[in-house]
Amino acid sequence: GAVVSQHPSRVICKSGTSVKIECRSLDFQATTMFWYRQFPKQSLMLMATSNEGSKATYEQGVEKDKFLINHASLTLSTLTVTSAHPEDSSFYICSASDNRGLYEQYFGPGTRLTVT
Amino acid sequence: AQRVTQPEKLLSVFKGAPVELKCNYSYSGSPELFWYVQYSRQRLQLLLRHISRESIKGFTADLNKGETSFHLKKPFAQEEDSAMYYCALRAGTYKYIFGTGTRLKVLA
Repeated sequence: GAVVSQHPSRVICKSGTSVKIECRSLDFQATTMFWYRQFPKQSLMLMATSNEGSKATYEQGVEKDKFLINHASLTLSTLTVTSAHPEDSSFYICSASDNRGLYEQYFGPGTRLTVT
Repeated sequence: AQRVTQPEKLLSVFKGAPVELKCNYSYSGSPELFWYVQYSRQRLQLLLRHISRESIKGFTADLNKGETSFHLKKPFAQEEDSAMYYCALRAGTYKYIFGTGTRLKVLA
């Protein structure tokens, strides 16, 4: 149980275009979803937290107009990188929590974004 | 400041040797700490949390508030323990702060 999927697993896009990454909880209702960014050989950096039906809460330094997050249902959150630049190339990981008990996070496999 | 520090990027030990992965934290509130593990080509998964005081796959971790540490230990390393280990601090219900990770290599 508690499986989180991400789609696509890899994406290459041209500079200036937008790309959408989906995060789905497959067998539980994810009240809260998290989006992280991981640079090579560095830690996961929390970008934003989203609760179903509410606006996302962004961490300091993360541009909300550049990284659009939508958590429209209890099983789906999307991250859209708008007007992508090469410096947005990174590994994006989502996680989901059903906010029960110990508020455990279940992680997706990640999406490798390369902006050319 | 809220911070998690894992001083070692890489730790190599021989099979059967004891392992200690270091984690120190900085947090003004009551800390809740976790260890996550990422095996090769797999997603990040929870290994253990301090409030459960459990032993998972032979690993234990004790929260030492005086030293602000949450080191991960295992008395006898196995080859299958080779992975990336992340220490994480929950600073608020929805906010997790991760350390930079330590790659553990268990040599045959």
